[in-house]
Amino acid sequence: EVQLVESGGGLVQPGRSLRLSCAASGFTFDDYGMHWVRQGPGKGLEWVSGISGNSGTIGYADSVKGRFTISRDNAKNSLYLQMNSLRPEDTALYYCAKAGKKFSGNYYRTWFDPWGQGTLVTVSS
Amino acid sequence: SYELTQPPSVSVSPGQTASINCSGEKLGDKFACWYQQKPGQSPVLVIYQDTKRPSGIPERFSGSNSGNTATLTISATQSMDEADYYCLAWDSTTYVFGTGTKVTVL
Repeated sequence: EVQLVESGGGLVQPGRSLRLSCAASGFTFDDYGMHWVRQGPGKGLEWVSGISGNSGTIGYADSVKGRFTISRDNAKNSLYLQMNSLRPEDTALYYCAKAGKKFSGNYYRTWFDPWGQGTLVTVSS
Repeated sequence: SYELTQPPSVSVSPGQTASINCSGEKLGDKFACWYQQKPGQSPVLVIYQDTKRPSGIPERFSGSNSGNTATLTISATQSMDEADYYCLAWDSTTYVFGTGTKVTVL
């Protein structure tokens, strides 16, 4: 069974940093792209970032480009999101999600399945 | 930037059919997928690649995509189908979610 477990969320002041982690199990991790998706309180879903299985292709939403960095450690079956210069509008539940399509070369044109339970990030002074 | 628009809400009686549209420019040229999200839970994939249903998803869920509109259809709707539904598509360099639709089973 595929499992994704996020951690690292918490309360942080504006301008500070936070690093999220996602521990994956139940599948060959480096065969799949991985993604971060967030959901603000009472709001819809927003794709944040994606990374290919071999880390060769990476992408970001415009709202986080230049502030967030996605990475993965295939030896540890783990996905990360380094979040710098955090803003109140970054407050959200952050989900990691596995790409539905088995392909390590890029993170494009796939679907996300399954998703983890999410980790809550609150940016406030 | 690319946008996907959904109706904020859809109401349906038990046993009837609910249809949820997702509109975006030339959406039919892209693959669309659909997620169901119940309160306090993570999104669950119900349709991918326009029409395919993941294992474990009931046959009453179906999808289509043509022109500028993708549609999720729930046949013989049950009370357990009450949830928020989101469409998703890939556009050039980014993934875009629809605005979301709350389905109420009255």
